[in-house]
Amino acid sequence: QQQVKQSPQSLIVQKGGISIINCAYENTAFDYFPWYQQFPGKGPALLIAIRPDVSEKKEGRFTISFNKSAKQFSLHIMDSQPGDSATYFCAASMRLTGANNLFFGTGTRLTVIP
Amino acid sequence: DGGITQSPKYLFRKEGQNVTLSCEQNLNHDAMYWYRQDPGQGLRLIYYSQIVNDFQKGDIAEGYSVSREKKESFPLTVTSAQKNPTAFYLCASVSLSYGYTFGSGTRLTVV
Repeated sequence: QQQVKQSPQSLIVQKGGISIINCAYENTAFDYFPWYQQFPGKGPALLIAIRPDVSEKKEGRFTISFNKSAKQFSLHIMDSQPGDSATYFCAASMRLTGANNLFFGTGTRLTVIP
Repeated sequence: DGGITQSPKYLFRKEGQNVTLSCEQNLNHDAMYWYRQDPGQGLRLIYYSQIVNDFQKGDIAEGYSVSREKKESFPLTVTSAQKNPTAFYLCASVSLSYGYTFGSGTRLTVV
């Protein structure tokens, strides 16, 4: 059973546009929601993360929006650039309980067209 | 790769052969994880270890084995019992403070 559901599976955006990737979860015990960026042939790297006590976190062109009541969170990439073309994974875990296990979404392949 | 090294980068396995993937970290993290990545399926957990000499099965442990004799090392063996081993394998070193640090992966192909 997929603990974190991610959509869309693939996304094509024009340069300068906004890329939006959505994730949903069921387990209300999750307390940490990171996003990872993966380039071909490389391991995922942490991009940005949020805790459920805030509704939004912004780092540069990347923003996480978090809706606790709907159990949904999303990644927004503003002014998308060709260098942003990669696969993005959302994830969730119960860090406050000391549990390391991350539950990953299935990934979104983003292509930014020049 | 942030202090975590996977080798080799590419590996070819013949039918019926066991192969071992290496994962070494110098981050002093207690926990280490192995994931398998297939197109369209995200990252699936194979095995993980929270401490030396202890490890647990993940969601797809069948056909794989691990050991954790040293804090720095967590090798994964893909046995002949794994019928579809062709995939990209990722190792991660984990701490509660810093989260997951992934290696660059090993691409295993059956020939």
